[in-house]
Amino acid sequence: EVQLVESGGTLVQPGGSLRLSCAASGFTFDIYEMNWVRQAPGKGLEWISYISSDGVTIYYADSVKGRFTISRDNARNSLYLQMNNLRGDDTAVYYCARVAVAVVGGIGHTSFDSWGQGTLVTVSS
Amino acid sequence: DIQLTQSPSFLSASVGDRVTIACRASQGISTYLAWYQQEPGKAPKLLIYAASTLQSGVPSRFSGSGSGTEFTLTISSLQPEDFATYYCQQLSSFPRTFGQGTKVEI
Repeated sequence: EVQLVESGGTLVQPGGSLRLSCAASGFTFDIYEMNWVRQAPGKGLEWISYISSDGVTIYYADSVKGRFTISRDNARNSLYLQMNNLRGDDTAVYYCARVAVAVVGGIGHTSFDSWGQGTLVTVSS
Repeated sequence: DIQLTQSPSFLSASVGDRVTIACRASQGISTYLAWYQQEPGKAPKLLIYAASTLQSGVPSRFSGSGSGTEFTLTISSLQPEDFATYYCQQLSSFPRTFGQGTKVEI
């Protein structure tokens, strides 16, 4: 069974730092691309970062670029999000999500097929 | 960045109703679109990818259609467990944007 378990969320002061982890099991982690998605209280989903299976290709949303760093350790089946200079609008549940690739009509299509349960980050003084 | 606009934002319906949710992209994305369902307090669940392909294990009352800039998610006969919030997401380019969500309530 595919499992993604996030951890590391807590209350942190504005300007502070935090590192989130996502432990993967039940699948071959090192062949899957991964993402972080967040959801502020009562709000919608916001994609924030992507990392390729080998960790070479990385993308960020503008809202976190320069402050957040995504990384992975394939030997430990783990995904990470280092968050620095945190702000109040970073308060959210943070999810890790696996990318699935399927060929439809001869074309590869991706989607986020497995999600963790989320970890809550609260930025407040 | 590609913007996704869902309509309506809220939808009141009854068990057995046919429900349609629209998702419009700010530029053409072919069929690089997915739909997710999110129940309160839970993680999103993939329903449809490639605009119209049903994810394994998802009931056949869910269907998706569209290409380019106009997409729809249809629930043919609403069941009690379908009362949730639905999101579209484009996977044509980065950033991987989501629609603002459509809450389906009684």
